[in-house]
Amino acid sequence: QKEVEQDPGPLSVPEGAIVSLNCTYSNSAFQYFMWYRQYSRKGPELLMYTYSSGNKEDGRFTAQVDKSSKYISLFIRDSQPSDSATYLCAMSAGTGGFKTIFGAGTRLFVKA
Amino acid sequence: DSGVTQTPKHLITATGQRVTLRCSPRSGDLSVYWYQQSLDQGLQFLIQYYNGEERAKGNILERFSAQQFPDLHSELNLSSLELGDSALYFCASSPRGGGGEQFFGPGTRLTVL
Repeated sequence: QKEVEQDPGPLSVPEGAIVSLNCTYSNSAFQYFMWYRQYSRKGPELLMYTYSSGNKEDGRFTAQVDKSSKYISLFIRDSQPSDSATYLCAMSAGTGGFKTIFGAGTRLFVKA
Repeated sequence: DSGVTQTPKHLITATGQRVTLRCSPRSGDLSVYWYQQSLDQGLQFLIQYYNGEERAKGNILERFSAQQFPDLHSELNLSSLELGDSALYFCASSPRGGGGEQFFGPGTRLTVL
């Protein structure tokens, strides 16, 4: 079993839809949770960063962390064609090896 | 623009050769991470340096090595290159020594022929 599981998609939605992206993980030591957006093999761009549990909102993006279920989500409201990209979840522990584990990435297509 | 720079952008070389990839972190960041991204493997963590010292190691081959210099830039050396080493190599930087957000550079695309 991988430490981080993420459905690779692809996920196709119409413009204006609410998009829900998810990852599950197995390592209860993870404390830092990130979402990155990557356009066609460019460098991943940090979208959201959350420490421990809870919700965080930034514009059209909301990140949720449920440590009891080992489940994190990214919601995109009013999705735009420019949101079409691969979304990567990432997480790391605060102590120990400091390795950051990335999910496989979900490819999102937003149709105009 | 994340503030992380990587050179070169593209590199084409032959099997058995050695190459050096360079990364300059964001101003003030002490940690540098190296990642490999190939089509069928996703983003794989290779190694992390913090303020000049190795902090964490991932799935880095023995043919690969890295270092971080006093000015905090880092180099990733790849030797005895094989076809399977063709990939995108990303550098990321962070203000922290462990955990938390990382800021990625544009990557170096390595092609081994």
